[in-house]
Amino acid sequence: QQQVKQSPQSLIVQKGGISIINCAYENTAFDYFPWYQQFPGKGPALLIAIRPDVSEKKEGRFTISFNKSAKQFSLHIMDSQPGDSATYFCAASTDNQGGKLIFGQGTELSVKP
Amino acid sequence: KAGVTQTPRYLIKTRGQQVTLSCSPISGHRSVSWYQQTPGQGLQFLFEYFSETQRNKGNFPGRFSGRQFSNSRSEMNVSTLELGDSALYLCASSSSHWNTEAFFGQGTRLTVV
Repeated sequence: QQQVKQSPQSLIVQKGGISIINCAYENTAFDYFPWYQQFPGKGPALLIAIRPDVSEKKEGRFTISFNKSAKQFSLHIMDSQPGDSATYFCAASTDNQGGKLIFGQGTELSVKP
Repeated sequence: KAGVTQTPRYLIKTRGQQVTLSCSPISGHRSVSWYQQTPGQGLQFLFEYFSETQRNKGNFPGRFSGRQFSNSRSEMNVSTLELGDSALYLCASSSSHWNTEAFFGQGTRLTVV
């Protein structure tokens, strides 16, 4: 019940295209859903996050869509650029365990020029 | 504002030895969490410290331990190292135990030979 399942494992997108990464969870107590971006040799960097009281959050080219009833959330990267090539992780946590993030397995995104 | 600093960046140890990793959180942040990242298991939560107290613990053996000092700096210790402990160890800091916005350091790459 603590798992977060992420798909696809890898994704290849053409420059200018839309990258979509999906995550699903079981624990209905989760109330914070961040996305992290990680480049080789670096730690994960917080990209964007959402709480279940909203269905969508947009920051620049990055959008999180959240479906509470389906227990799913997704990251959309619009106008994907080669510089977006990285590994993306979704995660989830509960407020009463704020320091404990449960991560998805990661998606390796490659944006071709 | 300085980010999360982890030292050392790289470490090579022999089976059976012990190791201590250090993490300095963002100034003003009082919560520090530790994660293990491996290709097979992904990002897994080790433990969280807030105000010098362990608030959360993941499913790792007792060989993995940690502590937090009054200045919020944290250390984690792994005793009796095994080959399977080879991983990237990441530290994340948050402003409080209840604030889920976590910022990661670059990690310590531990190789056990």
